[in-house]
Amino acid sequence: GEDVEQSLFLSVREGDSSVINCTYTDSSSTYLYWYKQEPGAGLQLLTYIFSNMDMKQDQRLTVLLNKKDKHLSLRIADTQTGDSAIYFCAETHNNAGNMLTFGGGTRLMVKP
Amino acid sequence: GAVVSQHPSWVICKSGTSVKIECRSLDFQATTMFWYRQFPKQSLMLMATSNEGSKATYEQGVEKDKFLINHASLTLSTLTVTSAHPEDSSFYICSARDHRTTFPYEQYFGPGTRLTVT
Repeated sequence: GEDVEQSLFLSVREGDSSVINCTYTDSSSTYLYWYKQEPGAGLQLLTYIFSNMDMKQDQRLTVLLNKKDKHLSLRIADTQTGDSAIYFCAETHNNAGNMLTFGGGTRLMVKP
Repeated sequence: GAVVSQHPSWVICKSGTSVKIECRSLDFQATTMFWYRQFPKQSLMLMATSNEGSKATYEQGVEKDKFLINHASLTLSTLTVTSAHPEDSSFYICSARDHRTTFPYEQYFGPGTRLTVT
């Protein structure tokens, strides 16, 4: 079955860049997503990338996809304390219909 | 933007009682809704997929008689935890798919319901 993995924890200083990494095993993954979860809240979709893209940028967020290595990363530029949260990567593919497979989540802590 | 609400946001119940959690799509119609369970410091585990007007599809290992799902309208799905026990204590999150979208069928997540069974 599909497997999505992330490192558990990342700590950065305010103003630095954060890079959160994710690896997946399903070669048929079509879309890959990044979600943000703040304490006690649901998930907020940050961005997603189609598998035929290498990079997508949206303001402070840059997503890089290495399809050969099945590696996805999320870079947050000028990280702020409000970016402290858990970040989940997720994937889906055409044959999965609506189903998302989530990674375990990376807890980002931003120190002032 | 698309908004999904859940009610209640937090509930404490006694062991053996049943609890109903509502998931509503506020400004769009959702033919499909999903129910997830999240344990502390862990990822989301898909419990079931709820399709309007039909029976829910449960993931392996999820007891359908314990977690009753009803999706009676295009804007409302309910999850009832029957005869709750302390091990059912968890954070339950729903998501809804806007029926107007095509693949990748963006899902909108509710804020979650924290269930504590004493």
